[in-house]
Amino acid sequence: EPEVTQTPSHQVTQMGQEVILRCVPISNHLYFYWYRQILGQKVEFLVSFYNNEISEKSEIFDDQFSVERPDGSNFTLKIRSTKLEDSAMYFCASSPAGREGLYNEQFFGPGTRLTVL
Amino acid sequence: GQQLNQSPQSMFIQEGEDVSMNCTSSSIFNTWLWYKQDPGEGPVLLIALYKAGELTSNGRLTAQFGITRKDSFLNISASIPSDVGIYFCAGISGGYQKVTFGTGTKLQVIP
Repeated sequence: EPEVTQTPSHQVTQMGQEVILRCVPISNHLYFYWYRQILGQKVEFLVSFYNNEISEKSEIFDDQFSVERPDGSNFTLKIRSTKLEDSAMYFCASSPAGREGLYNEQFFGPGTRLTVL
Repeated sequence: GQQLNQSPQSMFIQEGEDVSMNCTSSSIFNTWLWYKQDPGEGPVLLIALYKAGELTSNGRLTAQFGITRKDSFLNISASIPSDVGIYFCAGISGGYQKVTFGTGTKLQVIP
């Protein structure tokens, strides 16, 4: 069964460094998402991406964050200058298009644990 | 921002018991979702609800979309050890992409 994959599974970085988290969405999906989950807390929406542009973003997704689909398979989240409070699990998700007005199920990857020291 | 509050925060039950958990919001949602998250994994969708009053089942799971559109519940019947995990309610209010997650209910099943 196709699934969303994410690399690395764990990333440790120093405060102020740039990190890139990588995702390979399910191949025929058209919508892509990033969420984060601070340890022990709820999952929070960051951004959605469709047709090579951001379609929606949350207040968390400030100028330090960017997303890109550099080729036909990868979807990346870049954090330009990491802060301690960026430490969290970051989940990528993808969904098919097609059912206007209904929720198109988002399939989540296993996550990348980001630790900022 | 929109908040979804779940209760209880955690629960321990005996295998075979039925479980009920709730989710409430001060805002209206037009789609309610229930997810399960196993340790070290991403959330997996269990049930999606699209209309106020809708009652939907998925195996031993039953969920309802509250009439006011500000609440939902999830029931699990005859619990088994693999039901262990964190259950999140979630809602969508505007566009059909941004999912707002609840605070989670951690379920432990005692064999």
